[in-house]
Amino acid sequence: QKEVEQDPGPLSVPEGAIVSLNCTYSNSAFQYFMWYRQYSRKGPELLMYTYSSGNKEDGRFTAQVDKSSKYISLFIRDSQPSDSATYLCAMSRLSSASKIIFGSGTRLSIRP
Amino acid sequence: GAVVSQHPSWVICKSGTSVKIECRSLDFQATTMFWYRQFPKQSLMLMATSNEGSKATYEQGVEKDKFLINHASLTLSTLTVTSAHPEDSSFYICSATAGQGNTYEQYFGPGTRLTVT
Repeated sequence: QKEVEQDPGPLSVPEGAIVSLNCTYSNSAFQYFMWYRQYSRKGPELLMYTYSSGNKEDGRFTAQVDKSSKYISLFIRDSQPSDSATYLCAMSRLSSASKIIFGSGTRLSIRP
Repeated sequence: GAVVSQHPSWVICKSGTSVKIECRSLDFQATTMFWYRQFPKQSLMLMATSNEGSKATYEQGVEKDKFLINHASLTLSTLTVTSAHPEDSSFYICSATAGQGNTYEQYFGPGTRLTVT
């Protein structure tokens, strides 16, 4: 069983729709939860991070962590064609020197 | 924000040769650098962690004699793929962190695409 499971998609939605991306994990020691966006043939860029359980909002993006269910989500409101990319969930146990475990990524396409 | 660069961005080499990839932190001192490998449509897999001035720590299944990592300064780490074979063709990404802080403070480079013919 993988430590982090993520539906690879692809996911295609019309412009303006609300997008929901999800990951599950098995290691209860994870404390830091991140979402990265990766465009084709580019390095990942950090979108949001959350420490432990709870919600965090940043503009059109909302990250949720439910540690009791070992389930994390990223919501994108008013989706734009420029949001089309691969979204990777990631998590880690401790500090920035700690190993990050990535999900397999979900390919998202926003149709104009 | 902090910037990490990689060079080259794309390299083609013949089977059996060695290739060196550089990772530089441009505006901060990176006490720890990480090297990842990403195959098409797959996630990033950590290969090794390197601390400046120390030997790299390799993940299980990664051959340390094949993937040589050097972190000689606080702004530069290199990954050398020795005796490259077609199965080593992949997207190699480095990241760097300034040390004390939260996990999210790991900055990723743009990646290097290696093709071995």
